[in-house]
Parts: sequence; structure tokens; C-alpha cells
Amino acid sequence: KNQVEQSPQSLIILEGKNCTLQCNYTVSPFSNLRWYKQDTGRGPVSLTIMTFSENTKSNGRYTATLDADTKQSSLHITASQLSDSASYICVVIDRGSTLGRLYFGRGTQLTVWP
Amino acid sequence: EADIYQTPRYLVIGTGKKITLECSQTMGHDKMYWYQQDPGMELHLIHYSYGVNSTEKGDLSSESTVSRIRTEHFPLTLESARPSHTSQYLCASSDDREGQPQHFGDGTRLSIL
Repeated sequence: KNQVEQSPQSLIILEGKNCTLQCNYTVSPFSNLRWYKQDTGRGPVSLTIMTFSENTKSNGRYTATLDADTKQSSLHITASQLSDSASYICVVIDRGSTLGRLYFGRGTQLTVWP
Repeated sequence: EADIYQTPRYLVIGTGKKITLECSQTMGHDKMYWYQQDPGMELHLIHYSYGVNSTEKGDLSSESTVSRIRTEHFPLTLESARPSHTSQYLCASSDDREGQPQHFGDGTRLSIL
């Protein structure tokens, strides 16, 4: 069973609009949570990394939130651009192993229309 | 931008062939990883390495093998390709500091006929 669930599975918005992507996880013990952007045909690129003690972190037009108590995270995209069209993947890392095991969500496929 | 490279980007080949997917990074990272990704699905770890001469199998059973003779190089080999091996293969690396992200290559899209 996947321990990281993302919603929605896909999303279409108009250029300039805002959107919020959700990530719920059951991974424990928790180390940190990451959001990656994966363009079609490319590898994932890290957007944000959040530790247990961080509630909000921004990277330009991307703002991630984390509620470690409810095990939920969100990624908010402001003033969307056509180049934001991509898959956004939530990754949760546990601290119960030396490798720092990564649990991947299936991603939210975002399409921005002009 | 991360300096991790995968070749080839695309490969279409017949059943039974031996295949090697190349992955190189110039960041001096000790940890390297191979993931398999199918459309609409999550990434699955198939191999990882802590450093030179270290290789381990990941969560997803794979008939592939890997080697780590040099820090910068982590090739993946399929001795006899089958249609079930059709997938996208992503290589990644990271340094040892806690909380550092994995840097991914752009992947090899493999199709076995």
C-alpha cells in the first residue's frame, strides 16, 4: 500500500490562476518531505524540502506547507504559467533506516492552458 | 542544475539482447540510485549504492544488475531484455548530508519489442 497519497490525480487550470496540490502520508517515523517537479520526458527536480519543524517554505511562486500532526502537506502555485505544466511529486523520507528510505506519491499532473 | 547524465535517452531493442544503461554524475556524490517509473505510477527503487564497491537491491525486484567501480559511474545492466522490462529508468545521486535532495538524471525510456 502506497504510504503517500496525492490529490488530485490531474488538474487543468488557466494561465495566471492559482492552485493547490495535496499530499497525505502515513510514513513514520518522519524525517522530511519534499516536493519535486517532473517535466514530461525529464527527471524530477527538487522544489522544496521541509523538516518536521517547518510549517511553510516558499520557492518563488511555489509555497509548500506541512502539518506533521495530521501528516498532510500542500503545494500552492501562484499566478500559474504555461511552464508550470508538469507532474508534481510528493516524497516523504523516513528516518528509520540509514538509507533514509524515500516514499513516492504518484504525482499530480498539472496542465496550464493559455 | 544538477550534473547527472543518463544515456541513452531512448532505446528500442529486441527481446534477448543485453542492455547497459549508463549513469554518470560529476558532483562527487557517494550515494546513487536507480528507479523504475511507469506512466502515472510512483517511482520504485530497484538498486542503490553507498559508494564504490557498494551495491544493494531496492524495494522492487528487478532482473537487472548494477556495478559501482568509480564514484561517478553507476551503470545498470539487463543480461537478456524482455518486454516486461519496458519502462522508464531514472538514475539519481545525493550527498551524505541529511536532508539533501536527490538529483535525478533525465532518464532512459526503454522499449523491448
